[in-house]
Amino acid sequence: QKEVEQNSGPLSVPEGAIASLNCTYSDRGSQSFFWYRQYSGKSPELIMFIYSNGDKEDGRFTAQLNKASQYVSLLIRDSQPSDSATYLCAVNKGDDKIIFGKGTRLHILP
Amino acid sequence: KAGVTQTPRYLIKTRGQQVTLSCSPISGHRSVSWYQQTPGQGLQFLFEYFSETQRNKGNFPGRFSGRQFSNSRSEMNVSTLELGDSALYLCASSSTSGTNEKLFFGSGTQLSVL
Repeated sequence: QKEVEQNSGPLSVPEGAIASLNCTYSDRGSQSFFWYRQYSGKSPELIMFIYSNGDKEDGRFTAQLNKASQYVSLLIRDSQPSDSATYLCAVNKGDDKIIFGKGTRLHILP
Repeated sequence: KAGVTQTPRYLIKTRGQQVTLSCSPISGHRSVSWYQQTPGQGLQFLFEYFSETQRNKGNFPGRFSGRQFSNSRSEMNVSTLELGDSALYLCASSSTSGTNEKLFFGSGTQLSVL
């Protein structure tokens, strides 16, 4: 089982709709969770982080964490063409290594 | 505040050679992590340095090594290059090390091994 798993996509979402990105992780000792966005040809940039079970909202972005089910999700409301990118889920395992999933490609359809 | 600076931006090497990549973190950041990114494997953790000490290491062969200097700048070295080492090498800095570490990435060094 991979440490951090994401659907590679592409996930196509109409402009203005909600994009839902999911991630599962294998290490129950994982303590913190991050979402990075990577545009083609660019380096990853942090957009959200979450440490506790539940939801965390920041503008159009909501991160959701369920430690019992070992999944993290990212919701993007009112999707814009500029949201088209690869979204990387990252997990800080109990040993403080930050491990990344392979990413989900998101395509917002104008 | 200047971001994370990686040099060089591009490198072309041949098999068997060695290469050294450099990373200057954001001013005040003491943690530097290195990742290898390939289309097939995604971002893979190489190692992390904090205050000149290696705190964590990924599952890469001993040909991959690194170090951190007292000014927090870090170098990564790959010896006896193989074709499979062709990748984007990303450096990330953080003000802390540990559970809540947030990474800020440089633009990367694109290494091509011929």
